[in-house]
Amino acid sequence: SQQGEEDPQALSIQEGENATMNCSYKTSINNLQWYRQNSGRGLVHLILIRSNEREKHSGRLRVTLDTSKKSSSLLITASRAADTASYFCATGSGGSQGNLIFGKGTKLSVKP
Amino acid sequence: KAGVTQTPRYLIKTRGQQVTLSCSPISGHRSVSWYQQTPGQGLQFLFEYFSETQRNKGNFPGRFSGRQFSNSRSEMNVSTLELGDSALYLCASSLYGEEYGYTFGSGTRLTVV
Repeated sequence: SQQGEEDPQALSIQEGENATMNCSYKTSINNLQWYRQNSGRGLVHLILIRSNEREKHSGRLRVTLDTSKKSSSLLITASRAADTASYFCATGSGGSQGNLIFGKGTKLSVKP
Repeated sequence: KAGVTQTPRYLIKTRGQQVTLSCSPISGHRSVSWYQQTPGQGLQFLFEYFSETQRNKGNFPGRFSGRQFSNSRSEMNVSTLELGDSALYLCASSLYGEEYGYTFGSGTRLTVV
């Protein structure tokens, strides 16, 4: 079953612009993770934010988490053509044996 | 260090056959998870193994099974293939589990005809 719902489903921007993707989820979580997937290949782990954190940065990525609204956002600043990919949020319930529940993803297209 | 290796990359099977997919995790990673990705259902969790024990299982029929060996390598098996089993099967490894994030392999694209 899908837990995370990304919004928008597709996003097209110009190189240099910022891209913001949102994720909403339904149940309580231990952590939320963002992944990138290029053209149906494997997923690349971008960033993990724990339920007691509100914001996290990694290079050009900024992730926020609002547990009261059950939502998260991923901001990519100064987008590049190489950022073109699908982006997925995934929620973890906690504990080392949990599995990740993925949303359907946002397809980002960055035009040069 | 080497990433997660999945073999084969592509596979075409006939309905009713069985298939075995292989995954070699990153050296030192003890947790291996399997996911199925389809255009309609998205990414769905199949099962997770840690130190040769299945710790968690998703909502898939018993035709889907897996195992993990003492070197952490993992295999998944699908018996009596159905057309709906056509999908990208992704393996992911982690040091101990989800809280450490996962490194995914490039996947095995299975087509059932």
